[in-house]
Amino acid sequence: QQQVRQSPQSLTVWEGETAILNCSYEDSTFNYFPWYQQFPGEGPALLISIRSVSDKKEDGRFTIFFNKREKKLSLHITDSQPGDSATYFCAARHDSGYNKLTFGKGTVLLVSP
Amino acid sequence: DMKVTQMPRYLIKRMGENVLLECGQDMSHETMYWYRQDPGLGLQLIYISYDVDSNSEGDIPKGYRVSRKKREHFSLILDSAKTNQTSVYFCASSGGRNTEVFFGKGTRLTVV
Repeated sequence: QQQVRQSPQSLTVWEGETAILNCSYEDSTFNYFPWYQQFPGEGPALLISIRSVSDKKEDGRFTIFFNKREKKLSLHITDSQPGDSATYFCAARHDSGYNKLTFGKGTVLLVSP
Repeated sequence: DMKVTQMPRYLIKRMGENVLLECGQDMSHETMYWYRQDPGLGLQLIYISYDVDSNSEGDIPKGYRVSRKKREHFSLILDSAKTNQTSVYFCASSGGRNTEVFFGKGTRLTVV
């Protein structure tokens, strides 16, 4: 059973548009949700994260919207830039889990100039 | 400069050979991890190590073993490699509970 699901698998937007990446999870005990950004040939790097006590987290052009009742979250990238083209992973864990992250399969984002 | 270093970056092995993947971190992190990444499957946890000689299976440990004799160093061992172990392997580390996880650049292993 896949614990963390992401959609779409791939997404293409034009430069300047808002990209919306979706994530849902099964385990209601998950309470921390980081998003990782990965460029080809590199390891994933933490982009932004949210705890389940919040419903929104902003960091510049990146915003997470979180709906605990529906067990869904989304990453919005406003004013998308070609340099944002990467694979984005949603992950989840519960605080008692010694940092054991469960990852989704990722969304490949392409921003066209 | 906080870093997780993986060696080698690329490796080609024949089926049945033994494989050693090395990982080091310079942050004195307690917890270290090995993940594998396959196209369309995301990152899957192989092993997690909470400290020296304190290792625990992840979600897909079969066919792998690990060794952690120093806090800054964590090895992944494949005894008699199989073709389905062809993948990109990522090492990661974190400072303890509820802290950021840092990833290395990965080792691309091909088993032929």
